[in-house]
Amino acid sequence: GAVVSQHPSRVICKSGTSVKIECRSLDFQATTMFWYRQFPKQSLMLMATSNEGSKATYEQGVEKDKFLINHASLTLSTLTVTSAHPEDSSFYICSARDITGYEQYFGPGTRLTVT
Amino acid sequence: AQKVTQAQTEISVVEKEDVTLDCVYETRDTTYYLFWYKQPPSGELVFLIRRNSFDEQNEISGRYSWNFQKSTSSFNFTITASQVVDSAVYFCALSEVKAAGNKLTFGGGTRVLVKP
Repeated sequence: GAVVSQHPSRVICKSGTSVKIECRSLDFQATTMFWYRQFPKQSLMLMATSNEGSKATYEQGVEKDKFLINHASLTLSTLTVTSAHPEDSSFYICSARDITGYEQYFGPGTRLTVT
Repeated sequence: AQKVTQAQTEISVVEKEDVTLDCVYETRDTTYYLFWYKQPPSGELVFLIRRNSFDEQNEISGRYSWNFQKSTSSFNFTITASQVVDSAVYFCALSEVKAAGNKLTFGGGTRVLVKP
């Protein structure tokens, strides 16, 4: 089946530093990848949609300069949280949609803690 | 704009009881997909089912069953004879079929606690 990986699974960083999270589709090509954020005991909120080779589309209220998304290939998208602050601490989940269907395959998530 | 409402925030049952999770959605599109996902404590989302708007047949998969009622914009999920391993947060989600994106809108989730 379709597998999506995320790296790292957990990261702790200091306030003011930047953190990069990778999302890879392991056995299929993903023309579209999505990034979600989930705060404790809350639902998933879509942050942005990225299409391979083009700029990401950000949801309202998401700072594009803070959350940099790059979708450089059909199997890799990265989310960089720049100048992280404690309020950026969250569970970040990516998903990938293949070119054949409407189903999204989710990665295992990355738990970011900013101290 | 699309919206998904899961009115039950938490349900607690004793093992072997049945539990039904409600999901009500809003969309202006005539073509859309509905999903259910399970999120165990590990955090990874587990896909359970996808249903398109033209298929109102109910579905059963083992102890899981789904009731899609387009007339009431509901897509309810029932776990029969619940087990402790069913304890998780369950999300209902909606995806409109558009030229690009097909992004998912999630409901708030229902936390199910199955006690032994």
